[in-house]
Amino acid sequence: NAGVTQTPKFRILKIGQSMTLQCTQDMNHNYMYWYRQDPGMGLKLIYYSVGAGITDKGEVPNGYNVSRSTTEDFPLRLELAAPSQTSVYFCASAHRVGAYEQYFGPGTRLTVT
Amino acid sequence: GNSVTQMEGPVTLSEEAFLTINCTYTATGYPSLFWYVQYPGEGLQLLLKATKADDKGSNKGFEATYRKETTSFHLEKGSVQVSDSAVYFCASGGGGGATNKLIFGTGTLLAVQP
Repeated sequence: NAGVTQTPKFRILKIGQSMTLQCTQDMNHNYMYWYRQDPGMGLKLIYYSVGAGITDKGEVPNGYNVSRSTTEDFPLRLELAAPSQTSVYFCASAHRVGAYEQYFGPGTRLTVT
Repeated sequence: GNSVTQMEGPVTLSEEAFLTINCTYTATGYPSLFWYVQYPGEGLQLLLKATKADDKGSNKGFEATYRKETTSFHLEKGSVQVSDSAVYFCASGGGGGATNKLIFGTGTLLAVQP
């Protein structure tokens, strides 16, 4: 049982480049989330999805886009990378309304220079 | 809106010392409460949870009791080990409608010295 997987683990981007962070879960969870964690800080919600085809903005959506074409996958797209997007990105999933515990992937460490 | 406040770190303890990390919440209604742990270089893992007042969550020697009267969910462990060194996050869920969103505290770094 793999749980939540994320790729890549590490990435260095130049300013203005684009990339997609992949997230897949094999638990048939409806809810999925993207967070960023800056050094010494807590988690900030970027985007979330309550099911395939449905996404919505979190606290810090600017500079990011998401899609949810299947239950399993929830990729995060960075367009025109900026140094302010240097962070560790975590994907998480949750089963259903009322079961609030979220299951996290191992994270992607992104550096934009 | 809902919020979670937890004590700032770092917390530095010697092995076998008693641990308390304070967490308080504000919420409409009665949220579910969680403690997550993040070991160095890893994602967050659910440590324990409580879903209603007076519930006690426990796991790996850690405990936390849902106190409605003080809106608190303090994390405790009687004897910490070096392997407990990590960042601990308190979180609440239940105030965001049908989105299942969690509200996280800022995290508390625990460093246990041998």
